[in-house]
Amino acid sequence: EVQVVESGGGLVRPGGSLRLSCAASGFTFSSYSMNWIRQAPGKGLEWVSTISSGNTYIYYGDSVKGRFTISRDDAKNSLYLQMNSLRGEDTAVYFCARGSGTTSLNFDHWGQGVLVTVSS
Amino acid sequence: DIQLTQSPSSLSASIGDSVTITCRASQIISSYLNWYQQKPGKAPTLLIYVASNLQSGVPSRFSGSGSGTDFTLTIRSLQPEDFATYYCQQSFSFPRTFGGGTKLEI
Repeated sequence: EVQVVESGGGLVRPGGSLRLSCAASGFTFSSYSMNWIRQAPGKGLEWVSTISSGNTYIYYGDSVKGRFTISRDDAKNSLYLQMNSLRGEDTAVYFCARGSGTTSLNFDHWGQGVLVTVSS
Repeated sequence: DIQLTQSPSSLSASIGDSVTITCRASQIISSYLNWYQQKPGKAPTLLIYVASNLQSGVPSRFSGSGSGTDFTLTIRSLQPEDFATYYCQQSFSFPRTFGGGTKLEI
């Protein structure tokens, strides 16, 4: 069974940093692109970042570019999101999602999400 | 960036009804359009990919159509578990974008 499980969320002050992790199982992690997608409280879905298999392609949304870094460790079947210079508008549930195809043509399996709250 | 406009933003229906949700892209995206269902407090799940392909395990009462800029999600014979929020999402280019969502209520 395909599973992705996020961890690392919590409360952080504006300007602070946080690192999210996503542990994958049930599939050959190294063969898939992976993604972070977020959802602010009561709002819609916002794509954050994509990393292809083999780290060939990495993409970021404009709202996080230069502040967030996506990475993966295929030996550990894990995906990461390093979030720096956090702002109030980064408050959201962050979902890890497996992508279909090299550039994530769709998001076919999602984790349950982890809440990040940026507040003083 | 490609903007996706969903309509309606909310919709009331009854068990057994059929409903259609539309998604319009701000530019041509071929068939690179996906649909997701999200229930309160849960992660989204993929329903339809590349406009009209039913994801494995999704009931056949769900169907998608369209290409270019105009797309539809149709749900026939609504069941209680179908009341949720639905999102379209384009994979034609980066940044990936989602529609604003359609909340389907009883």
